[in-house]
Amino acid sequence: DSGVTQTPKHLITATGQRVTLRCSPRSGDLSVYWYQQSLDQGLQFLIQYYNGEERAKGNILERFSAQQFPDLHSELNLSSLELGDSALYFCASSPSLGVGYTFGSGTRLTVV
Amino acid sequence: AQKVTQAQTEISVVEKEDVTLDCVYETRDTTYYLFWYKQPPSGELVFLIRRNSFDEQNEISGRYSWNFQKSTSSFNFTITASQVVDSAVYFCALSERYNQGGKLIFGQGTELSVKP
Repeated sequence: DSGVTQTPKHLITATGQRVTLRCSPRSGDLSVYWYQQSLDQGLQFLIQYYNGEERAKGNILERFSAQQFPDLHSELNLSSLELGDSALYFCASSPSLGVGYTFGSGTRLTVV
Repeated sequence: AQKVTQAQTEISVVEKEDVTLDCVYETRDTTYYLFWYKQPPSGELVFLIRRNSFDEQNEISGRYSWNFQKSTSSFNFTITASQVVDSAVYFCALSERYNQGGKLIFGQGTELSVKP
């Protein structure tokens, strides 16, 4: 157990639907990162939060949004899902910026 | 611009062979970190090593060794006497300490297949 908890582990949903992926960071870590791993794009950085505030943004679609709550857990919301959104979504946390990353085991999203 | 290139998409070796996975990076930052991760078929990302830009010492951990050369912007990973359990996708990644919040930039990965 890495200390970073992602739920659910697997998710199957239909096109056009909306889903929420949850990440609980390792105890004491203030920074949360979201990554998407798809077959054609590889591992891509989506977005980062640090102590509740958005810190950096990658190639995140407008249909996707995220937030970090006061208890530091984070949620990634994916809406109007398309087949191409099928991917493995990882959350990682770190105590500060850029060091000590710990990855969760990922959420595998399948859009049918 | 930040970029990580793993030119080898797939490598296949026979057990007990040595294998080197190449990683070349680009960054304008003087302070950065380089990482290697292993992704076995189960899908999780397993941390292998982190190296900061001021430490060019090579590192050895059991059958694993890493060669960091700033002059060629490379951070290569060698597995000695490979085993079937080493079969996985290996990712090299870069993090710039003070830019972009420290996000990781991953290479495309190298799929290593070790055959018995």
